[in-house]
Amino acid sequence: SQQGEEDPQALSIQEGENATMNCSYKTSINNLQWYRQNSGRGLVHLILIRSNEREKHSGRLRVTLDTSKKSSSLLITASRAADTASYFCATDRGGSYIPTFGRGTSLIVHP
Amino acid sequence: GAVVSQHPSWVICKSGTSVKIECRSLDFQATTMFWYRQFPKQSLMLMATSNEGSKATYEQGVEKDKFLINHASLTLSTLTVTSAHPEDSSFYICSARESESPYNEQFFGPGTRLTVL
Repeated sequence: SQQGEEDPQALSIQEGENATMNCSYKTSINNLQWYRQNSGRGLVHLILIRSNEREKHSGRLRVTLDTSKKSSSLLITASRAADTASYFCATDRGGSYIPTFGRGTSLIVHP
Repeated sequence: GAVVSQHPSWVICKSGTSVKIECRSLDFQATTMFWYRQFPKQSLMLMATSNEGSKATYEQGVEKDKFLINHASLTLSTLTVTSAHPEDSSFYICSARESESPYNEQFFGPGTRLTVL
């Protein structure tokens, strides 16, 4: 069964705008990871955030984690057409450390 | 960061043949590896958990005789799709958990696209 669920399922924005995607999960976690997948391609690791961390940055990416709400968000600032892809969050199942994925958010950035 | 490779990146085979996909952790030891499959425009579904030196643990609904998993070393796990059929066509992705990481971080391979004719 799905552990993480991304929201929204689809997001369409103009280049230069910010894109925010959310991930909610059900059970406790040790870490949460965000991945990008271009159409028909493999996964690209973006950021890993641990359960004792609240926020992490990497370039134009900002990830937050709220363990009390069991949710995480991925913010892409100043989006580019090249950011068009599907974005997935992956969480481990708490003590089992088995990573499971949400359904993903499909982001389209119009030039 | 840790790197996981998969080979081949894509494969086309005839129905009824078997296909082997390799997953390697290149710069770390992985006691545990995971295999996923992904259908077009869908999420990644966990197929099985592969433990070095022991039998794999399959998720409900995954045929263990159809998808053979071998984890012979701390850096290599293989998935063999036996007697492949067109419905087995999918994107297969592995991940490896770093044994020494206190946070048990997982790193994913780039995936293998299987097309069965």
